[in-house]
Amino acid sequence: DIQMTQSPSSLSASVGDRVTITCRASQGIGSWLAWYQQKPGKAPKSLIYVASSLQSGVPSRFRGSGSGTDFTLTISSLQPEDFATYYCQQYNSYPITFGQGTRLEIK
Amino acid sequence: EVQLVQSGAEVKKPGESLKISCKGSGYSFTSYWIGWVRQMPGKRLEWMGIIYPGDSDTRYSPSFQGQVTISADKSISTAYLQWSSLKASDTAMYYCARGQPDVFDFWGQGTLVTVSS
Repeated sequence: DIQMTQSPSSLSASVGDRVTITCRASQGIGSWLAWYQQKPGKAPKSLIYVASSLQSGVPSRFRGSGSGTDFTLTISSLQPEDFATYYCQQYNSYPITFGQGTRLEIK
Repeated sequence: EVQLVQSGAEVKKPGESLKISCKGSGYSFTSYWIGWVRQMPGKRLEWMGIIYPGDSDTRYSPSFQGQVTISADKSISTAYLQWSSLKASDTAMYYCARGQPDVFDFWGQGTLVTVSS
């Protein structure tokens, strides 16, 4: 199985900050990477697919980049509604695997 | 509007069987995959498997193969996840999601399964 490792595991930031979350795959996955946002008690929400394409309706302050084994999710100017847990997911090969999550908290 | 509506929370005893459901609406149910994802309390998301309701083609994670059965009834736009003999370690939130095929763009609200004696 491909292991997905996110860093940091948690992060404190303020409204208006720029934040970056990193996701590393244990082997190359091309651009077959997605990002999801999950708020407490809610289902995940799809943000990005094929590493850098925004799902419909996702604000442009979210940006994904990377290929191969190293990927990043950047939020350019944090909004109050962005405080949540973020997961990366590889879909290069089965079984599909997720990172352990990055919890983004208000400073 | 695309919607996936899951069945309600369940409380079961070890050894009991269970089948939870996920009903799709607002799109062609037979044209997209449906995946199942487990989330144990405070833990990461875990991909269990996917099914293509159009022809019932099904893929399982090795971690869940033989432990659960994924099925679908396209006549009522509903996918299912079932267990024949629950264990306490099956206690978790279970999500269904629409896959394209492996990126999940719409998710159900989740079904909490609690297994306790």
